[in-house]
Amino acid sequence: DQQVKQNSPSLSVQEGRISILNCDYTNSMFDYFLWYKKYPAEGPTFLISISSIKDKNEDGRFTVFLNKSAKHLSLHIVPSQPGDSAVYFCAAYSGGSNYKLTFGKGTLLTVNP
Amino acid sequence: DTAVSQTPKYLVTQMGNDKSIKCEQNLGHDTMYWYKQDSKKFLKIMFSYNNKELIINETVPNRFSPKSPDKAHLNLHINSLELGDSAVYFCASSPGADYGYTFGSGTRLTVV
Repeated sequence: DQQVKQNSPSLSVQEGRISILNCDYTNSMFDYFLWYKKYPAEGPTFLISISSIKDKNEDGRFTVFLNKSAKHLSLHIVPSQPGDSAVYFCAAYSGGSNYKLTFGKGTLLTVNP
Repeated sequence: DTAVSQTPKYLVTQMGNDKSIKCEQNLGHDTMYWYKQDSKKFLKIMFSYNNKELIINETVPNRFSPKSPDKAHLNLHINSLELGDSAVYFCASSPGADYGYTFGSGTRLTVV
């Protein structure tokens, strides 16, 4: 039972363009969402998060959008850089869950020079 | 200065053996976790401890036993290893999920 879904296993983008990574969720109890970035042979690194009371959160080149009615969130990276090439995981948790994160399967982003 | 460190990084062992993976964090976080990334790349929670108290215990075979001697350490012991236990195991810590987890670099366990 996948409560967090990342339907695109991979995405390829040219350097300087926008990367859009998508994530859907099914559990309406989720009220906090996070994106993690993972390089090979390393652990995931926290990137950006958003609370369900917001619809947008921005941090430098990274912006996360949340559409609660559609149970959809997306991560925008502008402009994309070759160093952004990594696997991106979407994750979510619900209050009272002891911060138990449920992860999506990840999307491999490749930014071509 | 590594924030969350796991040892060993790689572990190859035979079926039936017992092994341990150690995790230490120097961030002062109260909560620590073990996650498993299986062959399908899903990251799934196994256990969580808050200040040495078990707070999350997912459906995991009881061959897996976490131990937290203090809030900076969370070790994972696995008895009678099976082929299906082969995976990457990640330790993580958090002061609260609003700040995200800090993950270790993972332990790749291969059972042969």
